[in-house]
Amino acid sequence: NAGVTQTPKFRILKIGQSMTLQCTQDMNHNYMYWYRQDPGMGLKLIYYSVGAGITDKGEVPNGYNVSRSTTEDFPLRLELAAPSQTSVYFCASSPSIRGTEAFFGQGTRLTVV
Amino acid sequence: QQQVKQSPQSLIVQKGGISIINCAYENTAFDYFPWYQQFPGKGPALLIAIRPDVSEKKEGRFTISFNKSAKQFSLHIMDSQPGDSATYFCAASMSSGGSNYKLTFGKGTLLTVNP
Repeated sequence: NAGVTQTPKFRILKIGQSMTLQCTQDMNHNYMYWYRQDPGMGLKLIYYSVGAGITDKGEVPNGYNVSRSTTEDFPLRLELAAPSQTSVYFCASSPSIRGTEAFFGQGTRLTVV
Repeated sequence: QQQVKQSPQSLIVQKGGISIINCAYENTAFDYFPWYQQFPGKGPALLIAIRPDVSEKKEGRFTISFNKSAKQFSLHIMDSQPGDSATYFCAASMSSGGSNYKLTFGKGTLLTVNP
């Protein structure tokens, strides 16, 4: 049982480049989330999705885009990368039930230089 | 606006001691309070969670204490072990108002348990 799988694990981008962080889950969860984690700042929600075709902004969406064409996949797109986007990115999923566990991927460490 | 405040930022405890991490929240609509544990290079994983209809929940060496009137909750780790060394995050979510169970996290506490 793979759970939530993120690729790549590490990436270095140059300023202005674009990339897509991949996330897939095999638990048939409706809800999926993207968080970024910066040292001493906890996890901040970037975007979330409540099902295929439905996405919405979180706390820090600027500079990012998402899509949800299937239940399993929730890619995060960075356009015109900036040093402020240097962070560790976590994808998570959860069932559409109140008060249940969110399952996190292993993270993608992104450095923008 | 930080909706969940966590303290301390870091904590050093001797093996066998008690680790205590505190969180306070502002939004009274929160109705689910989980604690996540994160080891270096890994994603956070659920440790224990509580709902506001109980004041305490215990699972093994881990206990959540919840004070609804004070809008505070805390994690107690009894008989702390070096393997407990990790970053701990408190979080909160609500199931009303179209929030879709989004978790709001505290800033985290780095726990070090010395042997």
